[in-house]
Amino acid sequence: GAGVSQSPSNKVTEKGKDVELRCDPISGHTALYWYRQSLGQGLEFLIYFQGNSAPDKSGLPSDRFSAERTGGSVSTLTIQRTQQEDSAVYLCASSLVGGYTFGSGTRLTVV
Amino acid sequence: AQSVSQHNHHVILSEAASLELGCNYSYGGTVNLFWYVQYPGQHLQLLLKYFSGDPLVKGIKGFEAEFIKSKFSFNLRKPSVQWSDTAEYFCAVSSFSGNTGKLIFGQGTTLQVKP
Repeated sequence: GAGVSQSPSNKVTEKGKDVELRCDPISGHTALYWYRQSLGQGLEFLIYFQGNSAPDKSGLPSDRFSAERTGGSVSTLTIQRTQQEDSAVYLCASSLVGGYTFGSGTRLTVV
Repeated sequence: AQSVSQHNHHVILSEAASLELGCNYSYGGTVNLFWYVQYPGQHLQLLLKYFSGDPLVKGIKGFEAEFIKSKFSFNLRKPSVQWSDTAEYFCAVSSFSGNTGKLIFGQGTTLQVKP
């Protein structure tokens, strides 16, 4: 597609439930990133996929967070047993060589 | 580990005032530097980037930034701001050493321009 697509755009979930956030990167972009933007905070790096290499998971805040990228394209970020502090905007970006394109994000609210 | 520091968290200016937002990074190797802007309710947009060459980089909407390697800085400037520049501004750094191209962001600076 023309840009990075994320779905859903908004998600409200109950504390303790699992959620899945989806990212469709730009076709042909080999790298894909997930970030979290909390109110009043900057953008926190979560995880990075580059081609067929093992993902860089160094930013995942806890083992409740995981992500996968199937076929080198679509990625899913899963948060298990959601907590209120997980409420944030989750941003996905893709890149080819140093140029990063961001999606509009998924606003997650845990109630 | 890389880190990015933006010194100004909230800046308030009147229209036509000059703007300079500070950004310092911590990394000893070759870096790529970026400034992004996020207008209210919109997604991140690239203002400008530095990879190599002329350390004075010009971006969109009249913004520019200067890379000063000795100071590990990449400050953003605009000679005369407009009300439409009200937004949040993020400095970011990446390196490609070790096959790692992740962007590390600063905390962001909220710019409010009064008409």
